[in-house]
Amino acid sequence: EAGVAQSPRYKIIEKRQSVAFWCNPISGHATLYWYQQILGQGPKLLIQFQNNGVVDDSQLPKDRFSAERLKGVDSTLKIQPAKLEDSAVYLCASSLDFRLGAFFGQGTRLTVV
Amino acid sequence: SQELEQSPQSLIVQEGKNLTINCTSSKTLYGLYWYKQKYGEGLIFLMMLQKGGEEKSHEKITAKLDEKKQQSSLHITASQPSHAGIYLCGADDPGTYKYIFGTGTRLKVLA
Repeated sequence: EAGVAQSPRYKIIEKRQSVAFWCNPISGHATLYWYQQILGQGPKLLIQFQNNGVVDDSQLPKDRFSAERLKGVDSTLKIQPAKLEDSAVYLCASSLDFRLGAFFGQGTRLTVV
Repeated sequence: SQELEQSPQSLIVQEGKNLTINCTSSKTLYGLYWYKQKYGEGLIFLMMLQKGGEEKSHEKITAKLDEKKQQSSLHITASQPSHAGIYLCGADDPGTYKYIFGTGTRLKVLA
């Protein structure tokens, strides 16, 4: 079974630039999560989708972050404009149902300079 | 809301030694998951425990959920450098339907 795919693996941008991350979940998984993991901390949920609807985006900094999941499959997470404190690993995860454990992608390491 | 506390925060062991990592929940656990993460990379799912007293093993890693379902332990036998990384426990919070993570344990294995 193919896992959760994310791209790119690494990205370095200057502050105030824009960046987008892409995630392809495991086929058939209705729930998709985006997490932000800052070095030394556990993952923090940014947004949770159930199919193409948003279930929870309470911790998403909406002034600069946006995410969409068109057609309930792939998802993109965008940051515009980026700040230095956005440097982190961005993890995408999916699960068959929100009551089940999630499978994670390898993450995108973002460095903002 | 539910919280997961892991101990120890960090661990350095000599290759070949056994070790245990604990994950304690503030509320009853309905599903407890263990993940491993290499620095800067994604999380690798290790195993899931659901029933009190349940114990599962994968290669040299064994995890157990206690009878009261508020604590889980992860035990590594004869540790190897390949076991190094950050171990995270995760759980479903039935009150909020959110998926929460423990504080993490950073493991280093000296060759």
